[in-house]
Amino acid sequence: AQSVTQLGSHVSVSEGALVLLRCNYSSSVPPYLFWYVQYPNQGLQLLLKYTTGATLVKGINGFEAEFKKSETSFHLTKPSAHMSDAAEYFCAVTVNRDDKIIFGKGTRLHILP
Amino acid sequence: EPEVTQTPSHQVTQMGQEVILRCVPISNHLYFYWYRQILGQKVEFLVSFYNNEISEKSEIFDDQFSVERPDGSNFTLKIRSTKLEDSAMYFCASSQDGAATEAFFGQGTRLTVV
Repeated sequence: AQSVTQLGSHVSVSEGALVLLRCNYSSSVPPYLFWYVQYPNQGLQLLLKYTTGATLVKGINGFEAEFKKSETSFHLTKPSAHMSDAAEYFCAVTVNRDDKIIFGKGTRLHILP
Repeated sequence: EPEVTQTPSHQVTQMGQEVILRCVPISNHLYFYWYRQILGQKVEFLVSFYNNEISEKSEIFDDQFSVERPDGSNFTLKIRSTKLEDSAMYFCASSQDGAATEAFFGQGTRLTVV
């Protein structure tokens, strides 16, 4: 069965610094990968997704993620953190286009002034 | 932009009571899902629904849970006899063609069982 592991339940970065949130997946077949963001007291918003094709995926709010099959990773990055990026970020995977989504435990991103 | 809407945003109920969580999926979507997130834990799949029947359900989705599409717009999750451990955020999602890659999530209903 597929799964995702997010390294670090809490990550703190200074405003303007690089954001790097780590995600590794486990899947016996090619995965579809997602990053979702959850702002305080709000629902899940899709940041970006990898289905097929280009391995570097750009999402909303300046985020991007790169699918690396050799490393089974799908790390999320943003060159320069903004205070508004403070939220919980979930990496997720599915292996069939029609299948349920399996979520990681989430990483709470704190932005330091 | 179309969105999935859920009501209420927050519900408090006494243990043993029945609750119904409501969702209005995006109008042309045909596949519907419920997920839940216990505080501090990951989002977990509960059930998927298509063509007026359950497509798949997780081990969490036991006999106390049921889903229904009572009319052309609403999709509901009923918990018959709530337990303290049912306290969680419940998310509804929908997709047009069943693709998880195209699923849209609602804002969630926070259920608190006291």
